[in-house]
Amino acid sequence: GAGVSQSPRYKVAKRGQDVALRCDPISGHVSLFWYQQALGQGPEFLTYFQNEAQLDKSGLPSDRFFAERPEGSVSTLKIQRTQQEDSAVYLCASSLGVGLYNEQFFGPGTRLTVL
Amino acid sequence: DQQVKQNSPSLSVQEGRISILNCDYTNSMFDYFLWYKKYPAEGPTFLISISSIKDKNEDGRFTVFLNKSAKHLSLHIVPSQPGDSAVYFCAASSSAGAGSYQLTFGKGTKLSVIP
Repeated sequence: GAGVSQSPRYKVAKRGQDVALRCDPISGHVSLFWYQQALGQGPEFLTYFQNEAQLDKSGLPSDRFFAERPEGSVSTLKIQRTQQEDSAVYLCASSLGVGLYNEQFFGPGTRLTVL
Repeated sequence: DQQVKQNSPSLSVQEGRISILNCDYTNSMFDYFLWYKKYPAEGPTFLISISSIKDKNEDGRFTVFLNKSAKHLSLHIVPSQPGDSAVYFCAASSSAGAGSYQLTFGKGTKLSVIP
């Protein structure tokens, strides 16, 4: 069965450009998470969706970051006016249900490099 | 302020011997702990977890121990195999709060199992 997929796998952007990163979760998964992993660090939480509702965006580092999941399946993370400090791997994860014990399945990530 | 700490960036172990990976946490609200394994260019994959009501959970060659009073957990791999070579992330979650059940990760420990 298909796992979580993300596209593009690699993205190079010039400082100031806008980027959009896509996540296709496992079909039927209710919960969707975005994490940011800087070089040499562990993943850090950005935002959480339950179906189409964005219930937690406490981890978004600035108002340049925006995420959506309009139909409760595919999600897009958009970064406006990219800065060099935005360079990182962006990971998407989905889980079947809601709650502490629902395993999060991760995609391979999108590596964003801002020049 | 790192809430989950993995103080050993790397660990080398001979094939067949025991690998012990350590993790400390500071947030007393954490009540669910997980270990994820990550290969290069792939997303993290779930390995094993433990609830705070337990002090040990075993799954085949993998055992996780939790010492709540010390806010410490460890992952034991016995016997270690070359295919276990990967980066291991310790993660924690809480049943309290906003309900996103986000994961808080450590920085990871790179395990190398030498044949």
